[in-house]
Amino acid sequence: RKEVEQDPGPFNVPEGATVAFNCTYSNSASQSFFWYRQDCRKEPKLLMSVYSSGNEDGRFTAQLNRASQYISLLIRDSKLSDSATYLCVVNPDRGSTLGRLYFGRGTQLTVWP
Amino acid sequence: EAGVAQSPRYKIIEKRQSVAFWCNPISGHATLYWYQQILGQGPKLLIQFQNNGVVDDSQLPKDRFSAERLKGVDSTLKIQPAKLEDSAVYLCASSSPGRGYSYGYTFGSGTRLTVV
Repeated sequence: RKEVEQDPGPFNVPEGATVAFNCTYSNSASQSFFWYRQDCRKEPKLLMSVYSSGNEDGRFTAQLNRASQYISLLIRDSKLSDSATYLCVVNPDRGSTLGRLYFGRGTQLTVWP
Repeated sequence: EAGVAQSPRYKIIEKRQSVAFWCNPISGHATLYWYQQILGQGPKLLIQFQNNGVVDDSQLPKDRFSAERLKGVDSTLKIQPAKLEDSAVYLCASSSPGRGYSYGYTFGSGTRLTVV
């Protein structure tokens, strides 16, 4: 079983739409959770960390459900510039001393005018 | 702050040939990682160094892949001999303790390897 499972999409939405991505992780002891963004032929870049209480950064909202081992990302008022692949990422190590990251396969988003 | 430097950006080799990739992490970052990203998949950790010691190489195909980080700064990843399935982007990343190693990641722009 993969560490992180993610629907690859693709998601094609119009500008202004709200879109949600989900993923699940297999290791219940996982400690740190992230959403990364990867543009075509570029390296992954941190979009936001995900906390149990939920957190928001502008149009982006991330949620974590530890009981269900489920992570979500909500993008409101989509912009053309949001078109990218969104990677669900988990660090399985208690204390974060190792820093290993496990990536989902990514969900591709295209926002059209 | 300068980012993580990688070279070359692109490499095309024939199967059974050898290839090496180089990475220079952010200054002061003790932890360095090599990831492999096959087209359509997320990055997969190959090896993690803490200074010049290996922390985790459980997913490194050791029959053909090797990596070193002499002096705890630059690192090289080598494939010998290459197979068609090694075609991928090889990403180097470094991190600092800060609030935890997983929070302070910076990726390099990667080396795109094509094996023909």
